[in-house]
Amino acid sequence: AQTVTQSQPEMSVQEAETVTLSCTYDTSESDYYLFWYKQPPSRQMILVIRQEAYKQQNATENRFSVNFQKAAKSFSLKISDSQLGDAAMYFCAYRIRQGAQKLVFGQGTRLTINP
Amino acid sequence: DAGITQSPRHKVTETGTPVTLRCHQTENHRYMYWYRQDPGHGLRLIHYSYGVKDTDKGEVSDGYSVSRSKTEDFLLTLESATSSQTSVYFCAISELAGYNNEQFFGPGTRLTVL
Repeated sequence: AQTVTQSQPEMSVQEAETVTLSCTYDTSESDYYLFWYKQPPSRQMILVIRQEAYKQQNATENRFSVNFQKAAKSFSLKISDSQLGDAAMYFCAYRIRQGAQKLVFGQGTRLTINP
Repeated sequence: DAGITQSPRHKVTETGTPVTLRCHQTENHRYMYWYRQDPGHGLRLIHYSYGVKDTDKGEVSDGYSVSRSKTEDFLLTLESATSSQTSVYFCAISELAGYNNEQFFGPGTRLTVL
């Protein structure tokens, strides 16, 4: 069975600084997707960034970028120029490419932004 | 925002009572999912549907049943609620399987079983 692990229950960063959230996963599949979701206090799940396993290039979305290490099964999220609005729970998630889009989530990392 | 609503948004019930949560979509997406969110566990898949009357179990399906009689509605039923089912429940939808399609989430339902 696939598993996703986020080993940092909580992280904090100063406003305007850079922070990296860690995620590791375990799978025997070769074709899959990885995601980072943001959950602010409103509870809404918001997709931040996605990575396709067959792509070697790391995904980037504005201030958000990932470091995808397929051999190490590692998928970290880097947030640059942290803003107060980035404060939220962040979830790493995985799904295989084929079949129903069943997501497997990590435990989450609560990110605090210090002004 | 994707057109997904969940009802009720909050519910308090007693152990042993039946509970039904409703997910309604206006996007005509084929796939619908129910997840539960608990501290320390992230979100875990309960059941999902890949079409009208077509459903399958997820990771934590014990104690839950689902039904989908129309494309737009996916119901989650707790036949006899237990305190361990106190959680936040999320519905999600997606279009085609196996494609790079985003899964959209509803606003969540907070269920408390006393």
